[in-house]
Amino acid sequence: QLQLEESGPGLVKPSETLSLTCTVSGGSISSSSYYWGWVRQPPGKDLEWIGSIYFTGSTSYNPSLRSRVAISVDTSKNQFSLKLNSVTAADTAVFYCTRRGIGGPEAFDFWGQGTMVTVS
Amino acid sequence: QSVLTQPPSVSAAPGQKVTISCSGSSSNIGNNYVSWYQQLPGTAPKLLIYDNDRRPSGIPDRFSGSKSGTSATLGITGLQTGDEADYYCGTWDSSLSAVVFGGGTKLTVL
Repeated sequence: QLQLEESGPGLVKPSETLSLTCTVSGGSISSSSYYWGWVRQPPGKDLEWIGSIYFTGSTSYNPSLRSRVAISVDTSKNQFSLKLNSVTAADTAVFYCTRRGIGGPEAFDFWGQGTMVTVS
Repeated sequence: QSVLTQPPSVSAAPGQKVTISCSGSSSNIGNNYVSWYQQLPGTAPKLLIYDNDRRPSGIPDRFSGSKSGTSATLGITGLQTGDEADYYCGTWDSSLSAVVFGGGTKLTVL
């Protein structure tokens, strides 16, 4: 069974860079059928898509975050990572790593358990 | 303000049926597949419906999805107290080139 697990600091200072890694187990990140990416959820608020990456390194980002975000992939470690720079308190959220199908299902079919990141 | 519009809350009695709407536009729901997610308190979202009306394996047929024009609907029959959760719709928005979600709907089973 596929599993995704987020890791990284739970506390980041304002103006610094938030860095998270997602480790994929039970399946290959090099599959041609999926995007891998990040979704965040501020406390008590809604889901927000951050961006996605294909195993080749091709990325797509939420236009509202594009200037501050970078997602990378390491196929040798079956991992992908998120960097969000110049963070403020508004970036405090639970961050989920996700898998999204290409062509079917076009949906986030696997999610990590989420990791809370506080900017303070 | 979310791109997709959902009612903030819905409620119904155990055993009854409820529907949750998700309204968008031609750039998102109108021309792309819709998915639905269930988020139980304190947990990650879980895929309930994909490609408008398809259920992943393991999701009971009490959950159904439909789409008409620029709106989509999630239906839940035979409500159980364990169905109390937040429900989100999501899709691709071709104008924004981004995945967009609805604002979420809190289901209360009275």
